[in-house]
Amino acid sequence: GAVVSQHPSRVICKSGTSVKIECRSLDFQATTMFWYRQFPKQSLMLMATSNEGSKATYEQGVEKDKFLINHASLTLSTLTVTSAHPEDSSFYICSATLTGANVLTFGAGSRLTVL
Amino acid sequence: AQSVTQPDIHITVSEGASLELRCNYSYGATPYLFWYVQSPGQGLQLLLKYFSGDTLVQGIKGFEAEFKRSQSSFNLRKPSVHWSDAAEYFCAVGADYGQNFVFGPGTRLSVLP
Repeated sequence: GAVVSQHPSRVICKSGTSVKIECRSLDFQATTMFWYRQFPKQSLMLMATSNEGSKATYEQGVEKDKFLINHASLTLSTLTVTSAHPEDSSFYICSATLTGANVLTFGAGSRLTVL
Repeated sequence: AQSVTQPDIHITVSEGASLELRCNYSYGATPYLFWYVQSPGQGLQLLLKYFSGDTLVQGIKGFEAEFKRSQSSFNLRKPSVHWSDAAEYFCAVGADYGQNFVFGPGTRLSVLP
């Protein structure tokens, strides 16, 4: 079956540093990837949609300069949290889909803690 | 705009008892409906999905869900709950697989021994 890998699964960083989270589709080509953020005991909130080779579409209220998303290939999308602050601490989940193939798979998530 | 509600924030059942988790949605067209389960600190696992056809959908781990268009509902059921079913359950709606999903707020299931 379709597998999406997220790395790292956990990351701790100091305030002011940048952190990159990778989302890889292991056995299929993902034309579209979605990035979600989940606060403790809350639901998933869509941050942005990225299509391979084009700029990501951000949801209202999401700072595109703070959450940089790159989808340079059909198997990899990255989310970079720039100048991270403690309020950016959260669980970040990606999902990947191949248009028209009825395949949508979620990654296992990445827990970011900013000290 | 599409939306999903899960009226029950937290449900506690005894092991072996039956379970029903409620999900109601608001959507302009026939939606794609999904149920996901999330264990603490983990990603999402798809339990089942509905696109069209038979309104009673069978999923993994003994779960099933019934789509009722007249009630805009897609409730999840299991006849006998196991302790390992304790987790967070999310109902989601989308236009299709290629679009983003709107997730419900989730229902946390606790199972008593």
